[in-house]
Amino acid sequence: DTGVSQNPRHKITKRGQNVTFRCDPISEHNRLYWYRQTLGQGPEFLTYFQNEAQLEKSRLLSDRFSAERPKGSFSTLEIQRTEQGDSAMYLCASSPEGQGYNEQFFGPGTRLTVL
Amino acid sequence: GNSVTQMEGPVTLSEEAFLTINCTYTATGYPSLFWYVQYPGEGLQLLLKATKADDKGSNKGFEATYRKETTSFHLEKGSVQVSDSAVYFCALSLYNTDKLIFGTGTRLQVFP
Repeated sequence: DTGVSQNPRHKITKRGQNVTFRCDPISEHNRLYWYRQTLGQGPEFLTYFQNEAQLEKSRLLSDRFSAERPKGSFSTLEIQRTEQGDSAMYLCASSPEGQGYNEQFFGPGTRLTVL
Repeated sequence: GNSVTQMEGPVTLSEEAFLTINCTYTATGYPSLFWYVQYPGEGLQLLLKATKADDKGSNKGFEATYRKETTSFHLEKGSVQVSDSAVYFCALSLYNTDKLIFGTGTRLQVFP
């Protein structure tokens, strides 16, 4: 399967703990995006990378959130000191670089539950 | 700011009925418009797109026309099937950034 993969698929943690999610994009895609989706809502943009450079961060991405893409391939999203409000589906997407709009391909998501 | 508004669901239809899901947008500049679909237990998939005014996107029997004058991008299908049951998201992106701005989603339930 050459699609976007995310691990883990599910994560249950206690409030105050740190969690880290991983996203592996489609191999030839140099753009990578993170979104968050809460129940009954559409995905909300968090941040995106072009290769290893983080080019944009949403105001939703508080100081407790950090994302990296150290070698321009896979990416990690870490949440420190989790809160119950962090419970959501975290989606990763990737796209090629090019003129105009380039389709984003989404992974299956990581569902986070903070107890 | 930039935003997408779509009709609330669920939309419940019988098989072979006509479907319309309304979507309107607010954007600075000239956005590209999309419909994404999320089938149960699966990730988001692009259903169709339109990148400029009066373009019609189509796929799998679904259609949507980019209407700049009414800032709308309504999704239509002439005859729905049970397999179309899913959540449909309208979204936009602006030329200078590929990030997507989504509506809240509309759940479609089709019964035989």
